[in-house]
Amino acid sequence: GESVGLHLPTLSVQEGDNSIINCAYSNSASDYFIWYKQESGKGPQFIIDIRSNMDKRQGQRVTVLLNKTVKHLSLQIAATQPGDSAVYFCAETLTGTASKLTFGTGTRLQVTL
Amino acid sequence: DTAVSQTPKYLVTQMGNDKSIKCEQNLGHDTMYWYKQDSKKFLKIMFSYNNKELIINETVPNRFSPKSPDKAHLNLHINSLELGDSAVYFCASGGTGGDAEAFFGQGTRLTVV
Repeated sequence: GESVGLHLPTLSVQEGDNSIINCAYSNSASDYFIWYKQESGKGPQFIIDIRSNMDKRQGQRVTVLLNKTVKHLSLQIAATQPGDSAVYFCAETLTGTASKLTFGTGTRLQVTL
Repeated sequence: DTAVSQTPKYLVTQMGNDKSIKCEQNLGHDTMYWYKQDSKKFLKIMFSYNNKELIINETVPNRFSPKSPDKAHLNLHINSLELGDSAVYFCASGGTGGDAEAFFGQGTRLTVV
């Protein structure tokens, strides 16, 4: 099937710094994208989403950027906190299909004090 | 109230056994899913049900049989368990349409020995 991302990289940032997590997707037909956060021992939790007719969307301390030309998503976390430590996944789907989300392999974010 | 709940949280069993994982959602969603997360954190969809009907089966061995008695429940039965079935299994639910995010349960860590 389609794959999103290749490895599980680790990003280490200091508390208070901004974090940028990147994701490459391969299905150019995908038109809806979601970022999930997965803390240890828990299920993935919705953070923010974006549709393909947008290139930027902001939430509370988080911003998602979408570049359809190069099939790239990024998640920016402002003023990273220890509670942000988790594995972050991007996911893609095509609106109108059977709601099938294809996940990337994730990025582990480690926040150091 | 837990939105998507699955039981048990941990399951340790011997090869060759048959086991079931139960899932219930109280969000009123039409669509429910089973995802498998391997040791490298890769999340892959296994099944998707919409209003009790199977709509996605991602080439999962037929030892895995989902059952949906009603749209709020999607259970996963696994026959003749193998070592390679060891993983974390996540149940999720989502609204209709391809633009609704999936809400995940806490996961069931299955260990086959």
